[in-house]
Amino acid sequence: DIQMTQSPASLSASLEEIVTITCQASQDIGNWLSWYQQKPGKSPQLLIYGATSLADGVPSRFSGSRSGTQYSLKISRLQVEDIGIYYCLQAYSAPRTFGGGTKLELK
Amino acid sequence: QVQLQQSGAELVKPGSSVKISCKASGYTFTSYDMHWIKQQPGNGLEWIGWIYPGNGNTKYNQKFNGKATLTADKSSSTAYMQLSSLTSEDSAVYFCARSGYYSFDYWGQGVMVTVSS
Repeated sequence: DIQMTQSPASLSASLEEIVTITCQASQDIGNWLSWYQQKPGKSPQLLIYGATSLADGVPSRFSGSRSGTQYSLKISRLQVEDIGIYYCLQAYSAPRTFGGGTKLELK
Repeated sequence: QVQLQQSGAELVKPGSSVKISCKASGYTFTSYDMHWIKQQPGNGLEWIGWIYPGNGNTKYNQKFNGKATLTADKSSSTAYMQLSSLTSEDSAVYFCARSGYYSFDYWGQGVMVTVSS
């Protein structure tokens, strides 16, 4: 199984700050990486697909990048509505695997 | 617009089975894989498996072999997951999600299954 190591597990940041979350894949997954935001009591919402493409309706302050088997989600200017838990997902092979999640809080 | 409407919360007894549903609308149901994901309270996300409603083909996470059974009804555009021999470890929220481009692009609202005597 492909392991997705996500860091940090938790993060406290100020409004307007730049936030970066990373996922390290245990093997090559190409661009089969997506990012999700989950708020309490809600289902995850797609932010980024194909490692770097912004999903419909997602603010442009979110961006995704890839360097080899390391993937990053960047929030350029943190807003209140960005608070939640973020997950990465590899869709390269079965079983699909998620990162452990990053809990993003306001400082 | 694409919508995945899941059935309501379930309270079930240990050792029993439960079948939850995911009704799709706004797209061609038979053209996209449907995935199922488990989330235990306070925990992360775990992939259970997928079904391709077009032909009924399935793929399971080995961990859920014998626990989960995925089916789909093309006539009602509804995907189902049956969970059997339930224990407290099966208490969780279960999501269905459509397979998108390199992603799961639409998710149901989730079904909370509580296993308790």
